[in-house]
Amino acid sequence: QKEVEQNSGPLSVPEGAIASLNCTYSDRGSQSFFWYRQYSGKSPELIMFIYSNGDKEDGRFTAQLNKASQYVSLLIRDSQPSDSATYLCAVNIGRGGNNRKLIWGLGTSLAVNP
Amino acid sequence: NAGVMQNPRHLVRRRGQEARLRCSPMKGHSHVYWYRQLPEEGLKFMVYLQKENIIDESGMPKERFSAEFPKEGPSILRIQQVVRGDSAAYFCASSPTSGGVSYGYTFGSGTRLTVV
Repeated sequence: QKEVEQNSGPLSVPEGAIASLNCTYSDRGSQSFFWYRQYSGKSPELIMFIYSNGDKEDGRFTAQLNKASQYVSLLIRDSQPSDSATYLCAVNIGRGGNNRKLIWGLGTSLAVNP
Repeated sequence: NAGVMQNPRHLVRRRGQEARLRCSPMKGHSHVYWYRQLPEEGLKFMVYLQKENIIDESGMPKERFSAEFPKEGPSILRIQQVVRGDSAAYFCASSPTSGGVSYGYTFGSGTRLTVV
């Protein structure tokens, strides 16, 4: 069983729409959750992190965490063509001496159509 | 404030040669992670190091691959006797020395290894 799962996509949305990206994780002890964006041929860059249940907003991005249901989502409002990228979900399970290791999903490809 | 520095950006090696990939973490970061990524595929964890210690090498192939993070200098990922299947992008990331669970990784630009 995969520890962090994401729909591979591609998720296609029109410009100006809300893009919704989802991630589920298997370890109930997971402590912190991260969303990264990766453009083709580039390295991943951190967009947001969240560790408390509920919503966290930063500009056009909102991260949502539900620990009871073991999912974390990323909403992108007013999607722009420049948001077209692969979005990676990463989870820290905070286990023992290895507590800084992140477990990664395979990513969801997002295409925003002009 | 320099980010995570990886070099070289591109590396071409002939089959059987050695490849050495370098990574200097961000200032204040003492945790280093190496990942491999094939085109159109996800990040594959290789190894997690702190200064002079390997914390987790569960993703490292048993043969030909090694990693170190000495007290002084950059972290090195070494691939001996490279084969065509080693061709990939290798990313290094670092995370802060302190900061609890609210940290994130900062990635370098990667090294694109091509084995010919």
